[in-house]
Amino acid sequence: NAGVTQTPKFRILKIGQSMTLQCTQDMNHNYMYWYRQDPGMGLKLIYYSVGAGITDKGEVPNGYNVSRSTTEDFPLRLELAAPSQTSVYFCASSSEGLGGTEAFFGQGTRLTVV
Amino acid sequence: GESVGLHLPTLSVQEGDNSIINCAYSNSASDYFIWYKQESGKGPQFIIDIRSNMDKRQGQRVTVLLNKTVKHLSLQIAATQPGDSAVYFCAERMASGTYKYIFGTGTRLKVLA
Repeated sequence: NAGVTQTPKFRILKIGQSMTLQCTQDMNHNYMYWYRQDPGMGLKLIYYSVGAGITDKGEVPNGYNVSRSTTEDFPLRLELAAPSQTSVYFCASSSEGLGGTEAFFGQGTRLTVV
Repeated sequence: GESVGLHLPTLSVQEGDNSIINCAYSNSASDYFIWYKQESGKGPQFIIDIRSNMDKRQGQRVTVLLNKTVKHLSLQIAATQPGDSAVYFCAERMASGTYKYIFGTGTRLKVLA
């Protein structure tokens, strides 16, 4: 059981470039999330999705876009990368199980914008 | 918006001692709380959770206490081991039905040999 898989693990972008961070989960979870983690800071929610075809903004959505065409995949798109987007990005998923709804996280993507 | 915070950014404990990590939350409507452990270079891992209708929950070597009166959450780790060294986050689920989680800034736990 792979859980939540993110690619790539590391990436360096130049200012103004674009890229897509990939996230896939094999747990059939309806809920998926993208967070960014800056040094010494808590995780900040960028976007989330409650099911295929449905997405919504989190706390810090500016500069990002998402899509959710399937239950499994939730890619995060960066258009016109800026140094302020240098961060570690985590994708997560969760279910609506009665036992709890903890989020399962991927290993993260470390992005540097230079 | 409201957010979750932590009292102590770094906690150092002797191996074998008990650790207590604290968290203050500000949203009185939050109905579900989680503690995560994050080791260096890895994603957060679930440790234990608690619903707002409970005030205590125990796991293996860990206990979470919830005090809704003062909006305080704590994680107790018994007989702390070197493998417990990590950053610990508390998180709250906003009671909006959207399953959004708000995370605190984290506490780094250092276990001294």
